[in-house]
Amino acid sequence: GENVEQHPSTLSVQEGDSAVIKCTYSDSASNYFPWYKQELGKGPQLIIDIRSNVGEKKDQRIAVTLNKTAKHFSLHITETQPEDSAVYFCAASKGGSYIPTFGRGTSLIVHP
Amino acid sequence: EAGVTQFPSHSVIEKGQTVTLRCDPISGHDNLYWYRRVMGKEIKFLLHFVKESKQDESGMPNNRFLAERTGGTYSTLKVQPAELEDSGVYFCASSLSYEQYFGPGTRLTVT
Repeated sequence: GENVEQHPSTLSVQEGDSAVIKCTYSDSASNYFPWYKQELGKGPQLIIDIRSNVGEKKDQRIAVTLNKTAKHFSLHITETQPEDSAVYFCAASKGGSYIPTFGRGTSLIVHP
Repeated sequence: EAGVTQFPSHSVIEKGQTVTLRCDPISGHDNLYWYRRVMGKEIKFLLHFVKESKQDESGMPNNRFLAERTGGTYSTLKVQPAELEDSGVYFCASSLSYEQYFGPGTRLTVT
């Protein structure tokens, strides 16, 4: 089955800096890669996703990149703000059921 | 539009007891999923309903776990009897297609 590795487990940055979270996956058939943000006391919320026919996608301060050959995908957050502090999960899935396999999560701390 | 809701938010039970978790999906979402996250680890898939039918229950750890979805609306996940390793946060999610919406989770502690 699919295996998703996520790094780092903890990331501490100063407000205004950029943050990068990296994931790798094992199943070359995976074609949908969502990223979730989980704030304290809440469930994971989808913040951005990318499909395997696209190399990069941006939405305001966040962007995702995908390298299918290397089976790597990354989340980039620019101009970080304290409200970006949360646990971020990457995931990989494939068509049909689209049931995601998650990474272990990255705790992002943005210091004011 | 109301989101996915889960009840209770927390549950503390003793080993050997029974607990039932409930999930109310977003109205109209045929797909309902259960996941579990043990502290510090990844969120793991448990099972997937399409309406009232179990589409995939490959993630259910053992027969102490029983999930139902009455009439294709809300779902329950029963753990009987609970063991220490069942502790974790149980999430429910619902979807129309590939984008899943998660509930806030139920934190289960088995002592």
